[in-house]
Amino acid sequence: DVKVTQSSRYLVKRTGEKVFLECVQDMDHENMFWYRQDPGLGLRLIYFSYDVKMKEKGDIPEGYSVSREKKERFSLILESASTNQTSMYLCASSLFPGARNQPQHFGDGTRLSIL
Amino acid sequence: AQTVTQSQPEMSVQEAETVTLSCTYDTSESDYYLFWYKQPPSRQMILVIRQEAYKQQNATENRFSVNFQKAAKSFSLKISDSQLGDAAMYFCAYRNNQGGKLIFGQGTELSVKP
Repeated sequence: DVKVTQSSRYLVKRTGEKVFLECVQDMDHENMFWYRQDPGLGLRLIYFSYDVKMKEKGDIPEGYSVSREKKERFSLILESASTNQTSMYLCASSLFPGARNQPQHFGDGTRLSIL
Repeated sequence: AQTVTQSQPEMSVQEAETVTLSCTYDTSESDYYLFWYKQPPSRQMILVIRQEAYKQQNATENRFSVNFQKAAKSFSLKISDSQLGDAAMYFCAYRNNQGGKLIFGQGTELSVKP
């Protein structure tokens, strides 16, 4: 089974801090994704990556950046955390861009609170 | 741009009964993929069922089945013989034929009464 591991289940940070959320997958997947989940809004894509050192903006990239130095690891960075970034963050991975019917596999999520 | 709409924020079903969760989507493409994911209180998103748009036959997975109406752009999930473990948030999702990112609906929270 695919394992997607997010480094923290709960995280509390202060306004203005630089925050790193880490995600690791163990199945050599090429695609990795960061979503934000808010009540009533579902999951919204922040950034995604199809390959090492490659990244593309999703629907809500403002205030975030990402890093993918190794294939198995995809990091989400909040450059200067703000209270409106308090949310649940979900990481996902999938096989490769052409594998059209393959599902995304998700981590357990990080519930981030910005005080 | 593609959109996915789940119009039922909450649903409730009696154990052993059948429930249907609604999902509609908007796209101009003819080839795409649709998914239902389940997110229990443990937060792990689990794939429930998938449907390829070019297949007319509705997908089924044990007690879970879909009613895929391509012309109406509707993709509902039917859960038969509901169990307590089915209680979760359910998300409908769309993906185009290039693969890659999913577009999610708002979610439907399903409760199962014993």
